[in-house]
Amino acid sequence: GENVEQHPSTLSVQEGDSAVIKCTYSDSASNYFPWYKQELGKGPQLIIDIRSNVGEKKDQRIAVTLNKTAKHFSLHITETQPEDSAVYFCAGSGSARQLTFGSGTQLTVLP
Amino acid sequence: NAGVMQNPRHLVRRRGQEARLRCSPMKGHSHVYWYRQLPEEGLKFMVYLQKENIIDESGMPKERFSAEFPKEGPSILRIQQVVRGDSAAYFCASATGTGGLSGANVLTFGAGSRLTVL
Repeated sequence: GENVEQHPSTLSVQEGDSAVIKCTYSDSASNYFPWYKQELGKGPQLIIDIRSNVGEKKDQRIAVTLNKTAKHFSLHITETQPEDSAVYFCAGSGSARQLTFGSGTQLTVLP
Repeated sequence: NAGVMQNPRHLVRRRGQEARLRCSPMKGHSHVYWYRQLPEEGLKFMVYLQKENIIDESGMPKERFSAEFPKEGPSILRIQQVVRGDSAAYFCASATGTGGLSGANVLTFGAGSRLTVL
């Protein structure tokens, strides 16, 4: 089955700086890679996703890049704000129609 | 659109009791997934269901755990004879099941049910 590794586990940045979170996946059949943001006591919320026929996708301050050859994808958040502080999860679809999640990154944006 | 509704939000059970967690998918969604999240860990897949049908239960423990998604009503995750290790947040997600162009379902998660076993 699919295995998704996520790094770093914790990340602290100054407000206004950029944050980058990286994930690798094992199943070459994976074709869908979403990113979720989870705030304390809440459920994961989809913030951006990318499919394997695209190398990069951007939505305002958030962008995701995908390298199928190397089997890794990354989340980029620019001009970080305190409200970006949360746990971020990457996921891969694998060969089944269910998502395998990474272990999460606790992002803290320092004012 | 009320989103994915889970209840109860918090549930406390003593060892040996039963826990029932309910999930109503988003309107128009016919696919339901259950995930478990242990404290400070990621989300682990448990089971994937369509109406009246279990599609994939490869992540669900063989004993004490069961799930259903009847023709009418919410999906139910049932845990019999709970033990302390069952304490976790249980998240339900729903999807349309159409899978988009590449066949993968976009999941929308509920707020979760937090089970505490004393």
